[in-house]
Amino acid sequence: NAGVMQNPRHLVRRRGQEARLRCSPMKGHSHVYWYRQLPEEGLKFMVYLQKENIIDESGMPKERFSAEFPKEGPSILRIQQVVRGDSAAYFCASSPGFGTIQPQHFGDGTRLSIL
Amino acid sequence: QKEVEQDPGPLSVPEGAIVSLNCTYSNSAFQYFMWYRQYSRKGPELLMYTYSSGNKEDGRFTAQVDKSSKYISLFIRDSQPSDSATYLCAMIGETGGYQKVTFGTGTKLQVIP
Repeated sequence: NAGVMQNPRHLVRRRGQEARLRCSPMKGHSHVYWYRQLPEEGLKFMVYLQKENIIDESGMPKERFSAEFPKEGPSILRIQQVVRGDSAAYFCASSPGFGTIQPQHFGDGTRLSIL
Repeated sequence: QKEVEQDPGPLSVPEGAIVSLNCTYSNSAFQYFMWYRQYSRKGPELLMYTYSSGNKEDGRFTAQVDKSSKYISLFIRDSQPSDSATYLCAMIGETGGYQKVTFGTGTKLQVIP
């Protein structure tokens, strides 16, 4: 499967715990985007990363949320001390990079539930 | 005012009907326009992608862009029950040297057999 891979598909955490969401981009893609989707709402941009760099994190809450895309391995979205309001579907997308405009391709998301 | 407005629906049509899905936008910097289809509990899947004003056809799907009116449409001919999904419009405008995507909230479509 050469698509965007996200895991886990479902994640349950208790309030105060940490959540780690992983995303492996499509082969040949070096740009990763994270979005959050609440029921009946659209996709809300959180952060845009290239390998080892955060390009735009304007959509990510300043506290408790962080993201990385290391030189080796998947991109990680980390949520510390989770609260009920963090319950949502988190989607990762990837694109090839700069140059010509390239649409983003999405994974099937991680559904995070906070007890 | 949101940058991209999309009627959330739901929109119910009988099988075989022509479906029209629409988005309006306010940001003149948007240059590229896309339609995604999202099935329940799945990720958005790219359907159509266009740059210029006019029509682009792919099978039963036609994407239409009117930049002067800031209005885009997706038409689905001979709709099928398998077309039942949420359809998201998306637009790209350059921001700080990279292309930032803005999504509509999605229109939920149900095609009744």
